[in-house]
Amino acid sequence: EAQVTQNPRYLITVTGKKLTVTCSQNMNHEYMSWYRQDPGLGLRQIYYSMNVEVTDKGDVPEGYKVSRKEKRNFPLILESPSPNQTSLYFCASKSASYGYTFGSGTRLTVV
Amino acid sequence: GQQVMQIPQYQHVQEGEDFTTYCNSSTTLSNIQWYKQRPGGHPVFLIQLVKSGEVKKQKRLTFQFGEAKKNSSLHITATQTTDVGTYFCAVIASNTGKLIFGQGTTLQVKP
Repeated sequence: EAQVTQNPRYLITVTGKKLTVTCSQNMNHEYMSWYRQDPGLGLRQIYYSMNVEVTDKGDVPEGYKVSRKEKRNFPLILESPSPNQTSLYFCASKSASYGYTFGSGTRLTVV
Repeated sequence: GQQVMQIPQYQHVQEGEDFTTYCNSSTTLSNIQWYKQRPGGHPVFLIQLVKSGEVKKQKRLTFQFGEAKKNSSLHITATQTTDVGTYFCAVIASNTGKLIFGQGTTLQVKP
């Protein structure tokens, strides 16, 4: 089944403790992206990648890092999480002629 | 940058009533996509429109792209409780592939 898989689904962590949210797609898509969703602010892009080793900042990249060493994986790294990064995170990938396929989401709480 | 404004923000309807959400842009759009996000779920791609005046139907859902390609609408005929969720319009920025979302319309359906 074509899908984008994110892990974990839920995560509670403490301020400053590095964490990684994994994202993997099995559709051979070149384009992948991370979004965060916050009440009243909608879906905002954090980072995107147009291909392996090609990444760029979205609208809200501060406090995040990404890497794209292989086509299928696009992890999101929070080096020193802070409470304002408490949010619902979505990874997505896109084919050339179709819409985005989103992962199921990661609900992160930073205390 | 490119923006899309979506109205209304919320809509409560009685089951069986129709529902419409509108998406507007001040600039000409190359394409528009529609997504549905169920409560607690992730955005799911519904459809993409690219041609001026295009109309597409999916069962009770009718999608339109304006003649000037500056607006779009999603109309649901005879709503059902399964239609509950937030409907987003979105455009893909041609240079970055970034998906720019409207604010979404949250639909509640009373049985």
